[in-house]
Amino acid sequence: NAGVTQTPKFQVLKTGQSMTLQCAQDMNHNSMYWYRQDPGMGLRLIYYSASEGTTDKGEVPNGYNVSRLNKREFSLRLESAAPSQTSVYFCASKAGGLSDTQYFGPGTRLTVL
Amino acid sequence: GDSVTQMEGPVTLSEEAFLTINCTYTATGYPSLFWYVQYPGEGLQLLLKATKADDKGSNKGFEATYRKETTSFHLEKGSVQVSDSAVYFCALTRNFGNEKLTFGTGTRLTIIP
Repeated sequence: NAGVTQTPKFQVLKTGQSMTLQCAQDMNHNSMYWYRQDPGMGLRLIYYSASEGTTDKGEVPNGYNVSRLNKREFSLRLESAAPSQTSVYFCASKAGGLSDTQYFGPGTRLTVL
Repeated sequence: GDSVTQMEGPVTLSEEAFLTINCTYTATGYPSLFWYVQYPGEGLQLLLKATKADDKGSNKGFEATYRKETTSFHLEKGSVQVSDSAVYFCALTRNFGNEKLTFGTGTRLTIIP
């Protein structure tokens, strides 16, 4: 039982390049989330998906797009990377309903030069 | 909007010392409250939680009590170990809507032998 997995673990991009961060969970959870973690700011929500086929913006969605490919997978895409997107990205999932605990992946450390 | 304020770090303690990390929150209604821990190079792990006023969450010797009258959820441990060195995040979630987590900025704890 792997929980929440993320790929890649590390990535370096040049300004203007695009990439997709992958996230998958094997807990049959309904809800999935993408957060970014920046020094001194805690984690901030980028996008979330309450169920398969739905996505919604969080606090800091600009410059990102997401796809809920199926119940297991939730990807985050940077179409044209900017240095301000240098961060650590975490995916999380939650069962939904009355469950309130989110489970996190190990993170992707992204540097945009 | 919702917010979480936690004790500024870093915090450095000697092994077997008593630990308190303060956390206060602002939210309407009755949020669930959490402490997550992030060990070096890893994602966030749930440490403990409380879902209603006066509930006490506990795990691995850590405790926190949901105090609605003071809007607080302070983390305590009676005798810390070197292995407790990590970053600790206080967070809340509403039990409706997108159910996103709102995080504090994190407190880095270092325990010296």
